[in-house]
Amino acid sequence: EAGVTQFPSHSVIEKGQTVTLRCDPISGHDNLYWYRRVMGKEIKFLLHFVKESKQDESGMPNNRFLAERTGGTYSTLKVQPAELEDSGVYFCASSQDLRGKLFFGSGTQLSVL
Amino acid sequence: TQLLEQSPQFLSIQEGENLTVYCNSSSVFSSLQWYRQEPGEGPVLLVTVVTGGEVKKLKRLTFQFGDARKDSSLHITAAQPGDTGLYLCAGEETGTASKLTFGTGTRLQVTL
Repeated sequence: EAGVTQFPSHSVIEKGQTVTLRCDPISGHDNLYWYRRVMGKEIKFLLHFVKESKQDESGMPNNRFLAERTGGTYSTLKVQPAELEDSGVYFCASSQDLRGKLFFGSGTQLSVL
Repeated sequence: TQLLEQSPQFLSIQEGENLTVYCNSSSVFSSLQWYRQEPGEGPVLLVTVVTGGEVKKLKRLTFQFGDARKDSSLHITAAQPGDTGLYLCAGEETGTASKLTFGTGTRLQVTL
């Protein structure tokens, strides 16, 4: 069974540019989460989808971040325009049930120069 | 905002030694999970504890949830080089649907 897949694994962009991260959850997992770790700090929650609906987006830092999950399958996280402080590792995770086991992807390392 | 402090931050021990990692908070969590993360990979779930005072064992790893559900510990017996990695605790915030608060992490290195 394929795990959670994230693309790209690494992205280096300049301040002001746009970047789109993609996450393919495990097939059949309705719950999809985005987390990130910035500047060596702890991993922090960004948002939670149930199918195509945003269940909780309380962790989104500001309106430069836009997450979508059209059709309830894969998800994208767009940062526009990117700032230096957005650098970090962005993790996607999915689960079958609401409080079921979370499976994490390997993350996207984003560097904003 | 609920915070989880882990201690120690770094731990370097020799094969065969025992160790304990602590995860502490002033807040109550619905459940607490322990993850292990290797370089370049995402966290992998080891265990979930739900009930105050609960103890779970996974081979040489023993996990305990505090009676008040504010803290947890991970004890490793006879550590092996394969135990090397970043250990993370994560609490499920009360009243939320699976929103996790992650701890600061403990980086463990086990040498021969």
